[in-house]
Amino acid sequence: EDQVTQSPEALRLQEGESSSLNCSYTVSGLRGLFWYRQDPGKGPEFLFTLYSAGEEKEKERLKATLTKKESFLHITAPKPEDSATYLCAVETSGSRLTFGEGTQLTVNP
Amino acid sequence: DAGVIQSPRHEVTEMGQEVTLRCKPISGHNSLFWYRQTMMRGLELLIYFNNNVPIDDSGMPEDRFSAKMPNASFSTLKIQPSEPRDSAVYFCASGGYNEQFFGPGTRLTVL
Repeated sequence: EDQVTQSPEALRLQEGESSSLNCSYTVSGLRGLFWYRQDPGKGPEFLFTLYSAGEEKEKERLKATLTKKESFLHITAPKPEDSATYLCAVETSGSRLTFGEGTQLTVNP
Repeated sequence: DAGVIQSPRHEVTEMGQEVTLRCKPISGHNSLFWYRQTMMRGLELLIYFNNNVPIDDSGMPEDRFSAKMPNASFSTLKIQPSEPRDSAVYFCASGGYNEQFFGPGTRLTVL
């Protein structure tokens, strides 16, 4: 059974304090790893897709990296508007995504 | 582009009643997904369609749940009869290969 584990469950940062979120996975055959951002009361918003170990993608203050067992979402000099829940998901067969529980990030001004 | 449209945004009903959730995917997307999100279980895939055909419904919890996609621009998720444990936020998403765009969700409360 495919498993996705995200850590930490919650993270509080001061504005400008860089950090990383972790997504570890156990799957039979990875076709893609996805990162989403979810704000309260809204649907998840697509951020990145990573396909192979060693791949990196960046968007503003966010950078996602992938290894054979885990992915990291690095947040550089975060701002309060980066506060959200960040979800990781893996695609194995077809278009089926299995999501992790998410990391709730709070950035204080 | 208006994005994925879901209706209603909120639904409160009583146990035993039929509930129908609606979704309009983004034009041109050939895949449509129904998810359920709860605090206990997180975000779970219920069913997905490709070119209006159900491909994987293994996440549908039981026979009380059914989903249809009569055409490329409309899908429904029906719960009959509803139970309190069905209370959750139900999301519809559409996409092509390697991208899924989520709607705003329907918050369902079954009393």
